[in-house]
Amino acid sequence: NAGVTQTPKFQVLKTGQSMTLQCAQDMNHEYMSWYRQDPGMGLRLIHYSVGAGITDQGEVPNGYNVSRSTTEDFPLRLLSAAPSQTSVYFCATRGGGLQETQYFGPGTRLLVL
Amino acid sequence: AQTVTQSQPEMSVQEAETVTLSCTYDTSENNYYLFWYKQPPSRQMILVIRQEAYKQQNATENRFSVNFQKAAKSFSLKISDSQLGDTAMYFCAFMTGETSYDKVIFGPGTSLSVIP
Repeated sequence: NAGVTQTPKFQVLKTGQSMTLQCAQDMNHEYMSWYRQDPGMGLRLIHYSVGAGITDQGEVPNGYNVSRSTTEDFPLRLLSAAPSQTSVYFCATRGGGLQETQYFGPGTRLLVL
Repeated sequence: AQTVTQSQPEMSVQEAETVTLSCTYDTSENNYYLFWYKQPPSRQMILVIRQEAYKQQNATENRFSVNFQKAAKSFSLKISDSQLGDTAMYFCAFMTGETSYDKVIFGPGTSLSVIP
């Protein structure tokens, strides 16, 4: 039982390049979310999903796309990377019901030059 | 929109002493959940404690306890008998209870250093 996994752990991109951050969970959780963490700003919600085929925007969705074709996977796509997207990205999952604990992946550190 | 404020960017405490981290939030909802997360240098996010707004009793987890003041919209974390392993960033977070969507709003964090 791996919990929540994220790949890669670290990535360097050039401005304008695209890439996909992977997130996978083996806990059969309905809810999955992507956050970015920047110094002094805590974690900000980018996109989230309440089940396969259902996604919605969070606080800072611009420049990012998501899809949820399976319960297990929730990839985050950067279409055209910008230096402002340099950050640490966390994927999180939660089971059904409001009392469920949210579990975080180990994070992906992204540097855009 | 909900907001979470942590007014102490950095704090320090002597080992074995007690420290309190402050958190205030703003919401018009009556049903919600509050959390404290710990993020050590490893960057892993670890849930420390949670509180349901409809519960009057303050949550406790071993050395960690909260002071939940619903009318004042305040949710402070008290760490007793501080240990070196408590050195970390601490984030206060709010989750709406009014919908089924997974929207957790985080505060900016407090960096806690435990001094030997």
